[in-house]
Amino acid sequence: DGGITQSPKYLFRKEGQNVTLSCEQNLNHDAMYWYRQDPGQGLRLIYYSQIVNDFQKGDIAEGYSVSREKKESFPLTVTSAQKNPTAFYLCASSIAALRDEQYFGPGTRLTVT
Amino acid sequence: AQKVTQAQTEISVVEKEDVTLDCVYETRDTTYYLFWYKQPPSGELVFLIRRNSFDEQNEISGRYSWNFQKSTSSFNFTITASQVVDSAVYFCALSGLGQGGSEKLVFGKGMKLTVNP
Repeated sequence: DGGITQSPKYLFRKEGQNVTLSCEQNLNHDAMYWYRQDPGQGLRLIYYSQIVNDFQKGDIAEGYSVSREKKESFPLTVTSAQKNPTAFYLCASSIAALRDEQYFGPGTRLTVT
Repeated sequence: AQKVTQAQTEISVVEKEDVTLDCVYETRDTTYYLFWYKQPPSGELVFLIRRNSFDEQNEISGRYSWNFQKSTSSFNFTITASQVVDSAVYFCALSGLGQGGSEKLVFGKGMKLTVNP
């Protein structure tokens, strides 16, 4: 089945540790995205990539980093510099650009204590 | 600046009632795209519809319908004869060129719909 996988579904970390969230897609989409969702808030764009080896900051990139070494993969690292890392993280992909419909993964719920 | 407002945060209805979810947007772009997504309790967002700013035709898909009105900057979503499976958080989103000419995508804060049996 074509789709987006995110792992793990739940992740627990101690404050001060970096953590990497996985996102893989087999839809052959060029563009991939990372969003953060907090209770009562809409989705906020962290980073996006429209082509391998290139990515752009979204609205809340501080404290996060990404890489796009392969078309299928777009991992997100939540660094210790992110002040409030506990959130629900969603990965998505689209054919090419932000104007296209996006397909989402099941999300990773990160808890940092 | 682009902005999406979903004024209703939560609605509760009884099965078979019709319900309309409001979405009001702000943009200076002449070309832009509007979306609706559904987020069921499982958490994964599901794409429902995309409309571009030049197509104001209303759309119907089964029990779902969308009313796009540029005059009022609204893109409202109606569910007819609601069912329990419609219970979810619904997001409206807007894509256009932000300041500086780069593409932007903005989501509303979402509206939680609960359909009771």
